[in-house]
Amino acid sequence: GESVGLHLPTLSVQEGDNSIINCAYSNSASDYFIWYKQESGKGPQFIIDIRSNMDKRQGQRVTVLLNKTVKHLSLQIAATQPGDSAVYFCAVSGGGADGLTFGKGTHLIIQP
Amino acid sequence: KAGVTQTPRYLIKTRGQQVTLSCSPISGHRSVSWYQQTPGQGLQFLFEYFSETQRNKGNFPGRFSGRQFSNSRSEMNVSTLELGDSALYLCASSLQGVMNEKLFFGSGTQLSVL
Repeated sequence: GESVGLHLPTLSVQEGDNSIINCAYSNSASDYFIWYKQESGKGPQFIIDIRSNMDKRQGQRVTVLLNKTVKHLSLQIAATQPGDSAVYFCAVSGGGADGLTFGKGTHLIIQP
Repeated sequence: KAGVTQTPRYLIKTRGQQVTLSCSPISGHRSVSWYQQTPGQGLQFLFEYFSETQRNKGNFPGRFSGRQFSNSRSEMNVSTLELGDSALYLCASSLQGVMNEKLFFGSGTQLSVL
């Protein structure tokens, strides 16, 4: 089955700086990758996704990078704002019957 | 468009009891999936239902079961509750399924087992 590793449980950044959150996955057959944001007391909320036929995808202030060679996924948030404070999860789908595998999450803390 | 609705929001049960949680997906979504979230294990996939059929299943014991109705609403049941079942249970819906599209999550049911 798939396993998704966490690089940092907590990341503290200054407001206005860029943030980078990382994930590593184990199954080279995984083909769909997605980032969610979870604020306190709420369910996860979709941020951005990427498929295995792409290396990079950009959204509004967010970029996801996929390195299939080393099985690494990262989320970049530009000009971090106080509203970005949340726990960020990566999730990986391998196409099998195991469904979706989530990383443990990185808590992003914004310093004023 | 209304979001994913989960009821109840909070539940307190004792060991050995059973519990049923409910999830109403976004209108038009045919896939409903369930997740357990704990501080120690994080978010773990329980199962997915699509058009009333279980399509995918995570690594949980048979005490955890679910079903989906013809209107796509879903229920999750946990029998013979254990202390370790205390968690936030989240459901999510999507058009086609968990494998290749974004999910819309509800706010969850917080289950406490005493």
